[in-house]
Amino acid sequence: DIVMTQTPLSSPVTLGQPASISCRSSHSLVHSDGNTYMSWLHQRPGQPPRLLIYQISIRFFGVPDRFSGSGAGTDFTLKISRVEPEDVGVYYCMQATHFPYSFGQGTKLQIK
Amino acid sequence: EVQLAESGGGLVQPGGSLRLSCAASGFTFSSYWMSWVRQAPGKGLEWVANIKEDGSVKYYMDSVRGRFTISRDNAKNSLYLQMNSLRGEDTAVYYCARESSGWRWGQGILVTVSS
Repeated sequence: DIVMTQTPLSSPVTLGQPASISCRSSHSLVHSDGNTYMSWLHQRPGQPPRLLIYQISIRFFGVPDRFSGSGAGTDFTLKISRVEPEDVGVYYCMQATHFPYSFGQGTKLQIK
Repeated sequence: EVQLAESGGGLVQPGGSLRLSCAASGFTFSSYWMSWVRQAPGKGLEWVANIKEDGSVKYYMDSVRGRFTISRDNAKNSLYLQMNSLRGEDTAVYYCARESSGWRWGQGILVTVSS
């Protein structure tokens, strides 16, 4: 099974400052069709997960451009250029290349 | 607008059964793989099972294989999860999700397994 490891698990950040979350997979996430099915999700307390980024770097509809994704193979990064108050919550990376699909442990973003 | 609405959750005793449903709208249901994902209280996300567009292929996580059955009715735009032999560790919010390059998620439904 693919293990997704996120760092850090907790990230206190100052409003207006950048934030970065890393995700490493135990095996390459490149699918046989050539795509890499690696996504980033954001979840606020009591809410369902919300898709931010899919296929490494494609922002979902309505996601602000302060969010960006990068990486390849086994190493991926989510960056927030300037943290806003609504960005607090837990961020998850997810792979849907290999069965069983799997998620990272989650990174809690908090405002200092 | 894509909408996914789960129902059928609740409190059940260990060893009992429950059937979750997910009503889909706003897209061509029969054209997408569908998944169930769960989240235990205070924990992270865990993929449970998925099913191919026509229902011919199904995958499960190890801990539910043989106890849970995923199914769909494309005529009713509905996804199901039959859960048998429920255990305490199955307690979670269960989300229905449409697979695609950009996954879409339902609001979730709580299943509590307790005596």
